Amino acid sequence: GAVVSQHPSRVICKSGTSVKIECRSLDFQATTMFWYRQFPKKSLMLMATSNEGSKATYEQGVEKDKFLINHASLTLSTLTVTSAHPEDSSFYICSAFSPDSLSTDTQYFGPGTRLTVL
Amino acid sequence: GQNIDQPTEMTATEGAIVQINCTYQTSGFNGLFWYQQHAGEAPTFLSYNVLDGLEEKGRFSSFLSRSKGYSYLLLKELQMKDSASYLCAVRTAGKSTFGDGTTLTVKP
Repeated sequence: GAVVSQHPSRVICKSGTSVKIECRSLDFQATTMFWYRQFPKKSLMLMATSNEGSKATYEQGVEKDKFLINHASLTLSTLTVTSAHPEDSSFYICSAFSPDSLSTDTQYFGPGTRLTVL
Repeated sequence: GQNIDQPTEMTATEGAIVQINCTYQTSGFNGLFWYQQHAGEAPTFLSYNVLDGLEEKGRFSSFLSRSKGYSYLLLKELQMKDSASYLCAVRTAGKSTFGDGTTLTVKP
């Protein structure tokens, strides 16, 4: 099946620094990728939809200047958490829909990135 | 707005059958997904329903009634490794909205 990778899997940074998370579709092209955030024992919260070659679409309440998204190619989207603060500590997950099935249009998730801001 | 409800926690015995329900109220509907998520890991795809009825895939089955805004995930012959969180998600206009997940604990 389709594979989505994320890097890094875990990052610890100091407050005020910026952190970049990469999301790659390894064996398919993804014109659209999604970035989610998940708090402990909570469900996935969609942050933004990343569109290749155009600006990302942010969900209500998500600061676009805080969470910078770049989808420069059909296989790579990046999320940069700028000037990170402890409240940004969370599990960040990207996903993409694989066109491997006409009827399923399955959504595949990356393994996630655990961000801890000290 | 979008609203998806599922029970917070469920407990079942190894070898038994468990049904996890999901009700939804969304503007638009392009399909309902079930995912399994183990602690600290990303979700993995289990099933997809876009038409009413039952979809069976091995030990897992998923049912959908669009008129009732209702779905369930049925897990048979439960195994200890099935202990996980199960997420119901509805796809609308190219996005997926997730329920809060049901934490299933399988006991010996």
